[in-house]
Amino acid sequence: GDSVTQMEGPVTLSEEAFLTINCTYTATGYPSLFWYVQYPGEGLQLLLKATKADDKGSNKGFEATYRKETTSFHLEKGSVQVSDSAVYFCALFSGGYNKLIFGAGTRLAVHP
Amino acid sequence: SQTIHQWPATLVQPVGSPLSLECTVEGTSNPNLYWYRQAAGRGLQLLFYSVGIGQISSEVPQNLSASRPQDRQFILSSKKLLLSDSGFYLCAWVNSGANVLTFGAGSRLTVL
Repeated sequence: GDSVTQMEGPVTLSEEAFLTINCTYTATGYPSLFWYVQYPGEGLQLLLKATKADDKGSNKGFEATYRKETTSFHLEKGSVQVSDSAVYFCALFSGGYNKLIFGAGTRLAVHP
Repeated sequence: SQTIHQWPATLVQPVGSPLSLECTVEGTSNPNLYWYRQAAGRGLQLLFYSVGIGQISSEVPQNLSASRPQDRQFILSSKKLLLSDSGFYLCAWVNSGANVLTFGAGSRLTVL
């Protein structure tokens, strides 16, 4: 079945460092891809999305490009801030089954 | 505007006691509804989803059940809680045909 694999965390960075969180997927067809973020003690918020190959989703300085050839959707940010500390989830929407399938999540900790 | 409410926000229950978590959505009709669970330090597991009143799909066999008695109400229940039922439960909705899920703030359940 459809699945999402994320790099294991935690990822610990200093403020203003470059961030990459890897995400690859397995799916039949062409799913929509998402990054959600969970701040401490809160629910999930949509960070960005891409609905077709070569689309780039972006929000709050984060970017991810839908790469069909490598089945990847890596999350990047050029300069992280302490306020970016959170858990990041990569996900795909399996339209045929009406459900969102998540990766295991990657915890990011940014230190001043 | 569309909003999603979950309650209670926090719950501490003894093993063997019953459970009822509620989720309601406002400002939309006939949404797809979802229950996810996030166990401590783990990713998000889809438990149930519903595409209409009385229609429940279960993703994994477990000690929990779900019901959708009204169009915008989704209830997660258990007759007898287990220690392993502890976790953070998230309700989500999406309009039929769309693919961006919106999540509630979550319900944290601790079973002692």
